[in-house]
Amino acid sequence: DAMVIQNPRYQVTQFGKPVTLSCSQTLNHNVMYWYQQKSSQAPKLLFHYYDKDFNNEADTPDNFQSRRPNTSFCFLDIRSPGLGDAAMYLCATSWDRGSQVYFGAGTRLSVL
Amino acid sequence: EDKVVQSPLSLVVHEGDTVTLNCSYEVTNFRSLLWYKQEKKAPTFLFMLTSSGIEKKSGRLSSILDKKELFSILNITATQTGDSAIYLCAVTNAGGTSYGKLTFGQGTILTVHP
Repeated sequence: DAMVIQNPRYQVTQFGKPVTLSCSQTLNHNVMYWYQQKSSQAPKLLFHYYDKDFNNEADTPDNFQSRRPNTSFCFLDIRSPGLGDAAMYLCATSWDRGSQVYFGAGTRLSVL
Repeated sequence: EDKVVQSPLSLVVHEGDTVTLNCSYEVTNFRSLLWYKQEKKAPTFLFMLTSSGIEKKSGRLSSILDKKELFSILNITATQTGDSAIYLCAVTNAGGTSYGKLTFGQGTILTVHP
């Protein structure tokens, strides 16, 4: 009965090869977030959607893009992954901004 | 810029000990403070605190917020090996496009030995 589902759980890509991570939710939440968590560091927000409104963090590299085709799905596209992009990517949702946030299990990305 | 600092960064205890984890914060427009437990997967929610001085409790875990001094503590009594994890503190901002954004601290790594 997972509520925020991320696929795949583990992703290996090559340096410079585009990769897409996916997230779906069964909670019908308005807000969907993507966080990046590098080894031994705190999660860092990349961007979020409030409904269809996209909000990018100021320091998120242009290499990272996102799509939300409908309420249930959100995608993270990394156009040209570098070695420094290897991390755990966490999708999260909340009913509204400021309400409780629910995390998915994460996708661990390796870049070779 | 919002900031969260946790201490200690790591803690090693034995089963049965009581631990206190600290979280101090600076946020331009405070909305809430949250505690999460993270094992080798996504963070799992523990507590959300919005009001000063009201203790939240769940089993052996409890937490309290001091909005005047800008800190929170997470207490774990009678620790068990299953409590070993990273404990993350985060704050949310109530202003502008940052509204609802979680700013995390660096975490406290708790190791409980049998």
